[in-house]
Amino acid sequence: EVQLVESGGGLVQPGGSLRLSCAASGFTFSSYLMNWVRQAPGKGLEWVANIKQDGSEKYCVESVKGRFTISRDNAKNSLYLQMNSLRAEDTAVYYCARDPLSGGRRNYFDYWGQGTLVTVSS
Amino acid sequence: EIVLTQSPATLSLSPGERAALSCGASQSVSGTYLAWYQQKPGLAPRLLIYDASSRATGIPDRFSGSGSGTDFTLTINRLEPEDFAVYYCQQYGTSPWTFGQGTKVEIK
Repeated sequence: EVQLVESGGGLVQPGGSLRLSCAASGFTFSSYLMNWVRQAPGKGLEWVANIKQDGSEKYCVESVKGRFTISRDNAKNSLYLQMNSLRAEDTAVYYCARDPLSGGRRNYFDYWGQGTLVTVSS
Repeated sequence: EIVLTQSPATLSLSPGERAALSCGASQSVSGTYLAWYQQKPGLAPRLLIYDASSRATGIPDRFSGSGSGTDFTLTINRLEPEDFAVYYCQQYGTSPWTFGQGTKVEIK
């Protein structure tokens, strides 16, 4: 059974940093492109970033460029999101989500974690 | 970026009725690369439809998707109690991948 479990969320002051983690199990993690998708309270979904299977390519939405870094450790079956210079508008539930194509990319999301809440407030 | 506009914002229907949810794109979605997700309160989204009309694994056949270009529709035949939720469309033809703002299907 595919499982994605996020952790690392919490309350952080504006300008602060946080590192999110996503532990994957039930599939060959190293074969799948992985994503972070966020959802502000009571709002819709926003794709944040993705990373290729071997970590060689990374893409993110314009609003987080230069502040957020996606990474992965295939030996640990884990995905990460390093978030720096956090702003109030980054407040959201952050989901780890899998691309459905083993060895390739389709750019939609077939499995999601339960999410971790990041609150940016003083 | 491609902006997706979903309508209506809220759909009030009774169990057993048919729901038709629309998703309009600000520019043509290449390759009919459009997905639909269902989200219930406090839970993660669940993939329903991909490539505009293909049902994801385990999704009942009362869910169907159609459309191309800039106009897409999710149809739910014979609404079941568990279908009352928020539905999002997502385009993945042009980066950045974007979502609509959602349609809430509520019990009338």
